Order: sequence, then C-alpha cells, then structure tokens
Amino acid sequence: GQQLNQSPQSMFIQEGEDVSMNCTSSSIFNTWLWYKQDPGEGPVLLIALYKAGELTSNGRLTAQFGITRKDSFLNISASIPSDVGIYFCAGQTYNNNDMRFGAGTRLTVKP
Amino acid sequence: NAGVMQNPRHLVRRRGQEARLRCSPMKGHSHVYWYRQLPEEGLKFMVYLQKENIIDESGMPKERFSAEFPKEGPSILRIQQVVRGDSAAYFCASSQGGEQYFGPGTRLTVT
Repeated sequence: GQQLNQSPQSMFIQEGEDVSMNCTSSSIFNTWLWYKQDPGEGPVLLIALYKAGELTSNGRLTAQFGITRKDSFLNISASIPSDVGIYFCAGQTYNNNDMRFGAGTRLTVKP
Repeated sequence: NAGVMQNPRHLVRRRGQEARLRCSPMKGHSHVYWYRQLPEEGLKFMVYLQKENIIDESGMPKERFSAEFPKEGPSILRIQQVVRGDSAAYFCASSQGGEQYFGPGTRLTVT
C-alpha cells in the first residue's frame, strides 16, 4: 500500500522560530491534509490541499501540495507555545476511504 | 457542538471481555471511518462505513473485530475477546465525501 514518509520525527525549537516539516509518498494522492493532535485528543484538521502546486495559508500556517502530487510541506511561522503537539500529514485518493497518515512530527516549543 | 462524538473516552477491559466503542458522526455526515493509533505512531485505517453498509474493511483484523453503522444510531466498533495487544486509542472520523473530521477517541486498556 501507499507509504507516507514524514520528517522530521521531532523538533525542538525556541518560541518565535519558524518550523518546516514535509511528507513524501511513493504514490500519487489527490488530496493532502495536515492535522494537529494534542495529547489525549483527536486530530484536528489544519489545512486541506486539493490541487498540485496549490499553496494555502491558515493564519501562521502555510502548506503546499507538491507539483508531482507525491509530496507536501507545512510551515509554521513565528511559533508560539500552543503550537506544541504532533502534526500529521495525510494523503487521500479519490476513493475517499483510502487516507494514509504519516507517522507524525512531534513539535516542542521552548518559551 | 456538532462535532464527532465518541464514547466512552476511556474503556478498561480484562482479557477475554468484549469492547464496544461508539461514534456519532457530525450532523449531515454519512461516511464514518475508524482508525487505530498505537503510542508514538500515526493512525492506521481500519474500516469505512456508510449507513448500513461496510464500504472498505481492508484494515480490520480478520478475527474478533467488527463494525456497523445502522440506519439509526451511532456507528459501533466491536472487539470480541480482547487481548493486551488491542490496547490503543481508537478514533472515529466522519465526512460528507470530503475532508474527514475526527472525534476525541476512545482509549482502550486491556488488563
């Protein structure tokens, strides 16, 4: 099946720094999504991308759908303590049921 | 709050007992998905259901696990004769053909 490689696995940054994480796949996806999961909670959808090359922002978050449709990145600018959590990428095919998740990037922000 | 509801949030079962996990999708959503998450890992797809139909159960273990989404009432994920390896967080997500929105999860502990 499709495998998503998400990197880095973890990041330790100072408050105010920018963050970048990415996902690559061996297969093509039609939709890329980025979720954030806080401890003890379910993933919350941050950004959804539907077209190759699409660049979308949500506040301090920016994500792009790679031209090859096999990758995506998420940037967080000017990080704050509440950005702490695990960020997951997910790729989805037209089937809608076939959504695959990356293993997550664990972000720690030091005040 | 019309989000995805899951209950119970925490469930403790002894080996050999049955576990029933419930999920009520967001209002207006007719697609339900179940995922399992082990500690420090991403989410693994289990099953995709629409009302009264299992669409894709390719991620479900062949034995002891079953899922349903009846015409009335919540979707149920049922695990019979639980074993310690079933301990995990189980998340339900719902959609109406697009992005999936997650519930808060049920944390199952098998003692």
